[in-house]
Amino acid sequence: LAKTTQPISMDSYEGQEVNITCSHNNIATNDYITWYQQFPSQGPRFIIQGYKTKVTNEVASLFIPADRKSSTLSLPRVSLSDTAVYYCLGNTDKLIFGTGTRLQVFP
Amino acid sequence: NAGVTQTPKFRVLKTGQSMTLLCAQDMNHEYMYWYRQDPGMGLRLIHYSVGEGTTAKGEVPDGYNVSRLKKQNFLLGLESAAPSQTSVYFCASSFPGGLNEQFFGPGTRLTVL
Repeated sequence: LAKTTQPISMDSYEGQEVNITCSHNNIATNDYITWYQQFPSQGPRFIIQGYKTKVTNEVASLFIPADRKSSTLSLPRVSLSDTAVYYCLGNTDKLIFGTGTRLQVFP
Repeated sequence: NAGVTQTPKFRVLKTGQSMTLLCAQDMNHEYMYWYRQDPGMGLRLIHYSVGEGTTAKGEVPDGYNVSRLKKQNFLLGLESAAPSQTSVYFCASSFPGGLNEQFFGPGTRLTVL
């Protein structure tokens, strides 16, 4: 199971693009990178998942370089409602959550 | 479609008491999971199940037991609660395989005095 490392916290202002980078140096060949979002007093919610290059959905983009030792979650034009904890996971059969990145968005 | 529901939402126990947390899902998911989350920490996997009648240990299984008698339900039991088990407990479910999105319940906040 891939061990991941993320910044503990990040601050941003409304309307800015936020990039959260996760390093996973020992990711396995068959591991995918998955990101979850967790609001206070709620369970995590799936945001996006990818294996290589770039994946985009209506919420975010995920960039994974060719060596797959890191990945970057990109949130375009954040709003106050994006204030949450974001978890990066390298998963096969079980999810190992780290402490995540606490994103605080200011007006 | 209720998704994943957890019962109860809150509970206070005294040391040594027992209780069972119930998780139910209506998405016909094969896999179900129990996590605990301590303040300021990420989630840690307690036990999981890949199908009716099967369970397996996760990262922190000691002090907990589970049962999956029906596909839609996953029960987490504490036989003799300890203050170290004070935490928020989340249940999740997914289709087979860790690559599939996990859907989480709202959590159960448990305090052991």
